[in-house]
Amino acid sequence: DTEVTQTPKHLVMGMTNKKSLKCEQHMGHRAMYWYKQKAKKPPELMFVYSYEKLSINESVPSRFSPECPNSSLLNLHLHALQPEDSALYLCASSQGVGGAGNQPQHFGDGTRLSIL
Amino acid sequence: GEDVEQSLFLSVREGDSSVINCTYTDSSSTYLYWYKQEPGAGLQLLTYIFSNMDMKQDQRLTVLLNKKDKHLSLRIADTQTGDSAIYFCAESLYNQGGKLIFGQGTELSVKP
Repeated sequence: DTEVTQTPKHLVMGMTNKKSLKCEQHMGHRAMYWYKQKAKKPPELMFVYSYEKLSINESVPSRFSPECPNSSLLNLHLHALQPEDSALYLCASSQGVGGAGNQPQHFGDGTRLSIL
Repeated sequence: GEDVEQSLFLSVREGDSSVINCTYTDSSSTYLYWYKQEPGAGLQLLTYIFSNMDMKQDQRLTVLLNKKDKHLSLRIADTQTGDSAIYFCAESLYNQGGKLIFGQGTELSVKP
């Protein structure tokens, strides 16, 4: 069982809908990440939060809006998505992000998103 | 620039050893990781090695790191059908804010 929990597991939405993806970890990790993954490709980093502050945005379109309400929770708010945004969205967490002490990232099972 | 390369496919017989290879270009790597992804699932952290080590063993898994050649390998002993999955090699770089550089993934197929 993964220690990073993502909900929902599957989501189908229209291009005009607004929905949110949720991620939770209780490992005491202070860094959390959102990735997008297409079938049989490596994950692509979208956002990094460190100590509840956004530290990296990989030029993600504004129709994706991340939020970190506290150190255990990470949300991804979705609005006006396009069909090409259909993918597996993975959340990950690690103890920290800095310097030579980069710690392993632990991934959730993802939310499979389909845009109609 | 940063680049991590893996071969795309590997097929082995059940009970044989599997060796998955990975090469990377950036010498400022701190940690190197192996992740396993089964169909429909997220990435499972299998093992990782700090860049000043050359070998790490964990049950059926052996990781070898040749820092001079920037080559990383994962050996799975006594490969089972449950080992069939995509295996991603990844590196983290010094002071890159937690970014991982992933290889394209190697799809391991284990035949009975």
